[in-house]
Amino acid sequence: EAQVTQNPRYLITVTGKKLTVTCSQNMNHEYMSWYRQDPGLGLRQIYYSMNVEVTDKGDVPEGYKVSRKEKRNFPLILESPSPNQTSLYFCASSLSGGPREKLFFGSGTQLSVL
Amino acid sequence: AQTVTQSQPEMSVQEAETVTLSCTYDTSESDYYLFWYKQPPSRQMILVIRQEAYKQQNATENRFSVNFQKAAKSFSLKISDSQLGDAAMYFCAYRSGMDSNYQLIWGAGTKLIIKP
Repeated sequence: EAQVTQNPRYLITVTGKKLTVTCSQNMNHEYMSWYRQDPGLGLRQIYYSMNVEVTDKGDVPEGYKVSRKEKRNFPLILESPSPNQTSLYFCASSLSGGPREKLFFGSGTQLSVL
Repeated sequence: AQTVTQSQPEMSVQEAETVTLSCTYDTSESDYYLFWYKQPPSRQMILVIRQEAYKQQNATENRFSVNFQKAAKSFSLKISDSQLGDAAMYFCAYRSGMDSNYQLIWGAGTKLIIKP
């Protein structure tokens, strides 16, 4: 089954404790992206990747890192989480990143930073 | 910069009736795409319908249709014969056809409640 798999689904952590949210897709997609969803703000892009070893910042990259060493994986790293990074996170992918392409979303990771 | 506005935080409709969700956007571009996504309580983002700006004909997908008014920069979603399974957050989104990122710009969402 074609899917984007995110883990974990829920995560509670404390300020400053490094964490990684994993994202993997099995569709051989070139384009992958991370969004955060906050009430009243919709979704905002954090980082995106057009292919292996090619990543770039979205609208809200501060406090986040990403890597794209393999085509299928695009982990989101919070080196020193802070409470303002409490949010619902989504990973998404599409074939090549073209504007009319359907984006496939993971099931989200609800992160709480205490 | 492009913006997307959904002015209705919450809407409710009686089951089997029709409801329209509003969306306006601001852009100076001529090449773009508009989307409606549904987010049920499961949190999964589901593409409902897509509209290319260069197409005059409004997109339809079964019970879902849009009213695309390009000059007014309006992109409303009409849901006919509402069903209990339609209850969800609905997001309107814009995607540039010119930006190399092709990132989605999202509205704040409208929560749709279906009354049985």
